[in-house]
Amino acid sequence: LAKTTQPISMDSYEGQEVNITCSHNNIATNDYITWYQQFPSQGPRFIIQGYKTKVTNEVASLFIPADRKSSTLSLPRVSLSDTAVYYCLVGDSYGQNFVFGPGTRLSVLP
Amino acid sequence: GAGVSQTPSNKVTEKGKYVELRCDPISGHTALYWYRQSLGQGPEFLIYFQGTGAADDSGLPNDRFFAVRPEGSVSTLKIQRTERGDSAVYLCASRTGGTGELFFGEGSRLTVL
Repeated sequence: LAKTTQPISMDSYEGQEVNITCSHNNIATNDYITWYQQFPSQGPRFIIQGYKTKVTNEVASLFIPADRKSSTLSLPRVSLSDTAVYYCLVGDSYGQNFVFGPGTRLSVLP
Repeated sequence: GAGVSQTPSNKVTEKGKYVELRCDPISGHTALYWYRQSLGQGPEFLIYFQGTGAADDSGLPNDRFFAVRPEGSVSTLKIQRTERGDSAVYLCASRTGGTGELFFGEGSRLTVL
């Protein structure tokens, strides 16, 4: 299984763009990259998923370089409510034991 | 229901007791996952079901832990002879096949005194 590495924590201020990078050097050809967000006392929630290049939805963008050995989650204009833990996962499309790392604890300050 | 439902939301038990935690996945989701999360840590994989069968149970920590999904829908995580170290939030998630995202429940918080 591809292992991921992320920064343990990040601080930002309201209104700024936040970029969280995840390294996954041994990603396999069939693997997708998925990001989840978790608030205290809640289960993780899906944010975005991609395979290559760039994916954008209403809450975030995901940038994946050609070698796919890393990915960057971009949160535009964060607010206090974006304070959470963000997890990067790598896995193929047909189910396996998706492994969560410790995640990145994002703190958004006023 | 619309989402993944887990019961009980909180369970306090004494060391040595038996505990069952229930997960009701989203209707039609064939894959079901159990995770365990300790304070300040990411979710730790326990077991994954595809339909009724356990496709991967490599994350179960020891033989005190067991999970079933007899009809391919509701799953029960069973913990025998609970220990204080079993205290954690137990998360259940379900998904469709293909590239479907994981949908998590709110978790069951287990406290072993």
